[in-house]
Amino acid sequence: EAGVAQSPRYKIIEKRQSVAFWCNPISGHATLYWYQQILGQGPKLLIQFQNNGVVDDSQLPKDRFSAERLKGVDSTLKIQPAKLEDSAVYLCASIHMRGGELFFGSGTQLSVL
Amino acid sequence: AQSVTQLDSHVSVSEGTPVLLRCNYSSSYSPSLFWYVQHPNKGLQLLLKYTSAATLVKGINGFEAEFKKSETSFHLTKPSAHMSDAAEYFCVVSVNSGTYKYIFGTGTRLKVLA
Repeated sequence: EAGVAQSPRYKIIEKRQSVAFWCNPISGHATLYWYQQILGQGPKLLIQFQNNGVVDDSQLPKDRFSAERLKGVDSTLKIQPAKLEDSAVYLCASIHMRGGELFFGSGTQLSVL
Repeated sequence: AQSVTQLDSHVSVSEGTPVLLRCNYSSSYSPSLFWYVQHPNKGLQLLLKYTSAATLVKGINGFEAEFKKSETSFHLTKPSAHMSDAAEYFCVVSVNSGTYKYIFGTGTRLKVLA
């Protein structure tokens, strides 16, 4: 079974630029999560999808972050405009069953200069 | 409200000695609990999980954890540390509060000394 795919692996941008991350979860996993992990901290949930619907985006900074999962499969997370404090690893995860194991992608490491 | 507290941000042990990483949780519901490991520049990997079956859970690489409801704890242990165990460890609680949320602790960095 293929794992959670994320791209790009690394991204370096200047502040005020825009950036997008892509995630393809494990086939059949209806629930998808985006997490932000700042260096030295635990992952923090940004947004949770169930199929193509948002079930929790309470911690997503909506003035600059957006995410979509149009067909209920792959997802994109966008930041526009980026700030220095957005430098972090952005992790995508999916689950097969509610309450089960989270499967993580390798993450996208974003550096905002 | 649900929360997870990892009591030590850093733990150092000598190779071959026991490992204890402490985790306490707070949950209004019956939780599922997990331990994940993150090696430098690598993704998060599941070590073990508790989902209301046996309270002593065995995981990969010789790790195990015991769920103690009375103490609201889920400490991670290993009898003998190996150099390859050096990594960041995260305790995670999953609760069904309408939607399934996974709440991460702040992490414990394990250092293994030769």
